[in-house]
Amino acid sequence: KNEVEQSPQNLTAQEGEFITINCSYSVGISALHWLQQHPGGGIVSLFMLSSGKKKHGRLIATINIQEKHSSLHITASHPRDSAVYICAVNRGNVKLIFGTGTRLQVFP
Amino acid sequence: EAGVTQSPTHLIKTRGQQATLRCSPISGHTSVYWYQQALGLGLQFLLWYDEGEERNRGNFPPRFSGRQFPNYSSELNVNALELEDSALYLCASSLGGGGSNTEAFFGQGTRLTVV
Repeated sequence: KNEVEQSPQNLTAQEGEFITINCSYSVGISALHWLQQHPGGGIVSLFMLSSGKKKHGRLIATINIQEKHSSLHITASHPRDSAVYICAVNRGNVKLIFGTGTRLQVFP
Repeated sequence: EAGVTQSPTHLIKTRGQQATLRCSPISGHTSVYWYQQALGLGLQFLLWYDEGEERNRGNFPPRFSGRQFPNYSSELNVNALELEDSALYLCASSLGGGGSNTEAFFGQGTRLTVV
């Protein structure tokens, strides 16, 4: 079993829909990251969380440390949001443990 | 401000050759991390350099090596290339120390194809 699990693996949505991607982890962590990987491979760091909730534009990330769970929400989704979203955790050191990603496609 | 830059963007090598991948961190960042994303697999931690020293490495054979230069740029070398080394290699940089709450910024990656 992977230490970091994401769901769903694949997600399709119509433009404007509210999207939720989930991440569960089985180890103690010091921080959790949400990353966005565009076609071609480039990765952008969206959020780094150790507690609570963060918001940036149409993106919201929450984390529940007790439940070992985080969610990434996208409001008013747009085709340009189509990408792979990756959850990754720090276990008190610099090594990131990555989930396998959620492939999101948003259609106009 | 320039982000993390990697070169080349694509690299094709034959089995047994050596590949050299380069990474320039964000100005002011002293830590550089290398990750491998093989086809169908998630990202795997390869190496961490900080202040010119190798601080940590992932579960990869010794033919994966690298170094960090005085200007904090870094090279990843892969010797005796094997077909399964074909992957996207991502570099990330962060402020020094590599503490667990240090945010890392990623480059666009080098896609290595071994034929």
